Amino acid sequence: RKEVEQDPGPFNVPEGATVAFNCTYSNSASQSFFWYRQDCRKEPKLLMSVYSSGNEDGRFTAQLNRASQYISLLIRDSKLSDSATYLCVAPDGYNKLIFGAGTRLAVHP
Amino acid sequence: DTGVSQNPRHKITKRGQNVTFRCDPISEHNRLYWYRQTLGQGPEFLTYFQNEAQLEKSRLLSDRFSAERPKGSFSTLEIQRTEQGDSAMYLCASSLGSGLSYEQYFGPGTRLTVT
Repeated sequence: RKEVEQDPGPFNVPEGATVAFNCTYSNSASQSFFWYRQDCRKEPKLLMSVYSSGNEDGRFTAQLNRASQYISLLIRDSKLSDSATYLCVAPDGYNKLIFGAGTRLAVHP
Repeated sequence: DTGVSQNPRHKITKRGQNVTFRCDPISEHNRLYWYRQTLGQGPEFLTYFQNEAQLEKSRLLSDRFSAERPKGSFSTLEIQRTEQGDSAMYLCASSLGSGLSYEQYFGPGTRLTVT
């Protein structure tokens, strides 16, 4: 089993749609989690940090379920500019980030 | 620009040659990380430094790979006797060593192609 697993997608949604990505992790000791956004051939950029049960930032909401070892990212009112790969991250200990393979999102007009 | 910078951005080399990449972290960050990313995968951890000390290395980091951070500022990653399997994006990230220390910020990466 991979340490961090994500549905690779792609998720193809129209502008204005709500879309949710799920992620499961295997290291029960992980304390905090992240969602990074990565555009094609660019570096990952930090989108959201999740330190407790969840976090909300504008159109983006992240939820954490420690009992099920499950993290989700909800994007409301999708924009064309949201098209990217979304990487779920669970740290291993205090130092290294363990990335999922990413979920591709394509928002179309 | 006060973000993480990496040089070169692209490197094409022939198999068997040595290559060296440089990373300059965000100035107040004392932790520096190297990751490798191949197509369709998320970044994979290679190694990390706190100040000048290299504190952890992945088993992915074979003997051909060496990383240094001599003065606790910039870092270099050297690959000796490159192989085609080394072709990847090499990403550097930095973070503060306290508080929200898990939040790592990435540089633009060095894309290595070994022919």
